[in-house]
Amino acid sequence: AQTVTQSQPEMSVQEAETVTLSCTYDTSENNYYLFWYKQPPSRQMILVIRQEAYKQQNATENRFSVNFQKAAKSFSLKISDSQLGDTAMYFCAFMNPLMIYNQGGKLIFGQGTELSVKP
Amino acid sequence: SQTIHQWPATLVQPVGSPLSLECTVEGTSNPNLYWYRQAAGRGLQLLFYSVGIGQISSEVPQNLSASRPQDRQFILSSKKLLLSDSGFYLCAWSVKGGPGETQYFGPGTRLLVL
Repeated sequence: AQTVTQSQPEMSVQEAETVTLSCTYDTSENNYYLFWYKQPPSRQMILVIRQEAYKQQNATENRFSVNFQKAAKSFSLKISDSQLGDTAMYFCAFMNPLMIYNQGGKLIFGQGTELSVKP
Repeated sequence: SQTIHQWPATLVQPVGSPLSLECTVEGTSNPNLYWYRQAAGRGLQLLFYSVGIGQISSEVPQNLSASRPQDRQFILSSKKLLLSDSGFYLCAWSVKGGPGETQYFGPGTRLLVL
């Protein structure tokens, strides 16, 4: 069974600095998708970034980028120039495409990392 | 553009009372729909998903049920709430065949069962 592990329950960073959130996963599949979602105090889950496992190039979205290490099954999120609005819970999630057709696309989430950006 | 709505935003119900949470999606057709529950601000648990009208699959056996009476409407129900049903309920949608079946979430409903 696929599992997702986020080993940092809490992190903090000073405004304008860079922070990296860790995520590891376990799967025997070769093709899959990985996601980072952000949950601010409002608790709405917001998609931050998506990575396709078959793509070697790391995904980037403005100040957010990932370091995808397929062999190590590692998927870390780097936030550059941290802003106060980045304060949130961050969830790493895994999707097995084979599950899409059998199970409508089940996301497997990690337990989250609570990030505080300090002024 | 697509939007997803959930209501109510907050609900306080006594134990044993019925429940009905509603989720609707605008700006897309024939989406996959999902209900998740989040307890204590950590980790999401998939409760139900639907690939079409009247098609519901359950992930976790419980006293909750789901229905999809219309293409873009997804309802979470219970006949008798338990204390353990308290939590934050999130609805999500995805485009069939979209990249990674990326899921987009609604604003959620906070449910407190007393």
